[in-house]
Amino acid sequence: DARVTQTPRHKVTEMGQEVTMRCQPILGHNTVFWYRQTMMQGLELLAYFRNRAPLDDSGMPKDRFSAEMPDATLATLKIQPSEPRDSAVYFCASGSGQGGNQPQHFGDGTRLSIL
Amino acid sequence: AQSVTQLGSHVSVSEGALVLLRCNYSSSVPPYLFWYVQYPNQGLQLLLKYTTGATLVKGINGFEAEFKKSETSFHLTKPSAHMSDAAEYFCAVSDHGGGADGLTFGKGTHLIIQP
Repeated sequence: DARVTQTPRHKVTEMGQEVTMRCQPILGHNTVFWYRQTMMQGLELLAYFRNRAPLDDSGMPKDRFSAEMPDATLATLKIQPSEPRDSAVYFCASGSGQGGNQPQHFGDGTRLSIL
Repeated sequence: AQSVTQLGSHVSVSEGALVLLRCNYSSSVPPYLFWYVQYPNQGLQLLLKYTTGATLVKGINGFEAEFKKSETSFHLTKPSAHMSDAAEYFCAVSDHGGGADGLTFGKGTHLIIQP
C-alpha cells in the first residue's frame, strides 16, 4: 500500500535548536497537509500546499515556523528557534487535491520533545 | 467557521456490547464528514467518510455512521465491540472533501473495551 513517510519518527532536542521534519507524500498526490497534535489543543491544521505552492498557513506561528516543498516528493516543516511549547506530534498528510470521495492519508508522525 | 464536538473524551464498553461515539458538527456549507482511528504511536487511519448520497455510511472493521443533517450529527456505531477496537477516535469535517482542503477535528474520544 502507498504510504506517507515521515522522518524522523522521534526527535529530542534542546530549546533554541533548529528542528527540521520531513514528509514524503504518496506518489501522485499534489496536496500536502501539516498538522500538530497536543493534549491540550488536539489536532490542528498548520498549513497545506497544492502543487508545491502554499495555500493556507494561517495555523502556523510565522515567527518561528516555516514550511516548504522543495520538490513534489518532499515537504519540510522547520522550527527555528524551538521552544518547549513546540513539543507535540507533527503529522503530515497527503491528498489528491480533489474533493468529494478522496480522503487524506496520514503518516505516522514525528514526536518532538523540546527540553 | 467549522467546528466539531465529540461528546465524551472517554467511552468504556464491554466486549461484545454496542459502541456509540457521538459527533456533532457545524459548517456553513454542506459538509464532508470523516471518522479516523488512531492507535498508539501511529498516524490516523480513515474509518469511513460521508460525501454525498446515502446517509448511512459503512466503513472498515464493522463500523458505520449516519449523517443526520437536521441534528448536525455524524455518530459512529459498531454493533459488537472487540478488544482490538480500543483506540482514539476522531471525527472531522471539511468543506471540499478530505483530499482538497484541511480537516477540522474534534478533540477525540478514547474508546476503552472492558473484557
